[in-house]
Amino acid sequence: DGGITQSPKYLFRKEGQNVTLSCEQNLNHDAMYWYRQDPGQGLRLIYYSQIVNDFQKGDIAEGYSVSREKKESFPLTVTSAQKNPTAFYLCASSGDAWSGETQYFGPGTRLLVL
Amino acid sequence: GENVEQHPSTLSVQEGDSAVIKCTYSDSASNYFPWYKQELGKRPQLIIDIRSNVGEKKDQRIAVTLNKTAKHFSLHITETQPEDSAVYFCAARRAGTASKLTFGTGTRLQVTL
Repeated sequence: DGGITQSPKYLFRKEGQNVTLSCEQNLNHDAMYWYRQDPGQGLRLIYYSQIVNDFQKGDIAEGYSVSREKKESFPLTVTSAQKNPTAFYLCASSGDAWSGETQYFGPGTRLLVL
Repeated sequence: GENVEQHPSTLSVQEGDSAVIKCTYSDSASNYFPWYKQELGKRPQLIIDIRSNVGEKKDQRIAVTLNKTAKHFSLHITETQPEDSAVYFCAARRAGTASKLTFGTGTRLQVTL
């Protein structure tokens, strides 16, 4: 999982501001995922992408947007519509979204609201 | 959709004792069950996984058992050590779907000296 990087490590958002979290992987994985982690809760799926130029909503997609223009990159934008964005955001990737291969996680980005 | 329940939410054991964490899932079509360990402020790391065609899998001090009939699976850690202290998450994935994992809410394991 050392082949997945996320930046920045900490991110501060002001009211009404959109912010973008970066996720890059050099594992040649087809599938990528974004999760949100809140204290005392498990990981909740925001968006996932099985292949370039395709992505699907997860369980809590409202207030978020993604793109998948390159295989190795899956950025997440937290829009101003997301009213409670403070959380730990984790990106993951797996070799094949359909075969059940293991998901490997990046180091995470902690988003805080000013 | 799938629902995964995990118990207990916190677990404290003495060094050298065993620890058991249990998860139940709702979707009988789920066929892949990974366990992740997350240390404070770090990323979740896969420690063991099991597929529905086997009932048990071991890796040194860690084992996972699966009961498909009852729809539950458990993580067993033997001879616990202080470095086992972390939050552990179970997850389940439904067969025939894109690899959407549904996670439990986590168990905070504390191994005391």
